[in-house]
Amino acid sequence: GAVVSQHPSRVICKSGTSVKIECRSLDFQATTMFWYRQFPKQSLMLMATSNEGSKATYEQGVEKDKFLINHASLTLSTLTVTSAHPEDSSFYICSVGAGGRDEQFFGPGTRLTVL
Amino acid sequence: KNQVEQSPQSLIILEGKNCTLQCNYTVSPFSNLRWYKQDTGRGPVSLTIMTFSENTKSNGRYTATLDADTKQSSLHITASQLSDSASYICVVPRAGNMLTFGGGTRLMVKP
Repeated sequence: GAVVSQHPSRVICKSGTSVKIECRSLDFQATTMFWYRQFPKQSLMLMATSNEGSKATYEQGVEKDKFLINHASLTLSTLTVTSAHPEDSSFYICSVGAGGRDEQFFGPGTRLTVL
Repeated sequence: KNQVEQSPQSLIILEGKNCTLQCNYTVSPFSNLRWYKQDTGRGPVSLTIMTFSENTKSNGRYTATLDADTKQSSLHITASQLSDSASYICVVPRAGNMLTFGGGTRLMVKP
């Protein structure tokens, strides 16, 4: 399967600052990447679908101006949390759509803590 | 409504014991069902993928079953190890390459 990395693995920032999270597909050219958010003891919630070379598709209730997604290449998508607040503290996971049968391969996640 | 429900929500077992996790789904049309293992602070890792025609599939000490008629799946873990402590998530894809996630079962294996 596809190997997916995320950077950073952990980030702590002050309220009001912006944080960028990178998602890289190391061995697969991904036209589609997905961004999820996971709160403690809850399952993954899809935030947006990132399409290479075009605008991301956001799920209902996710503010596109707050969570900026850039998928500039087939191996890299970035999620920028703008003007982060403590309620944005969460575990952010990306995935790559690869192979058949709608398979997705997940990154290791990024733990964001906003103070 | 497309849903995936898992039970139990959490489970504690002793090392070496077996356990079975359940997943019921209502996603339609159905193509396949996946079980993922998610360690704390990590992303999900695929354990098995069950297609419509498959009833049983094993991956080491993990055995998944699927009953497409009753829309139920189970994940059986044999001879549990401490490293099996994790969340186990049942996932069913729906149209548009989207995934429907179950709430997960948090398994704790104690020595």
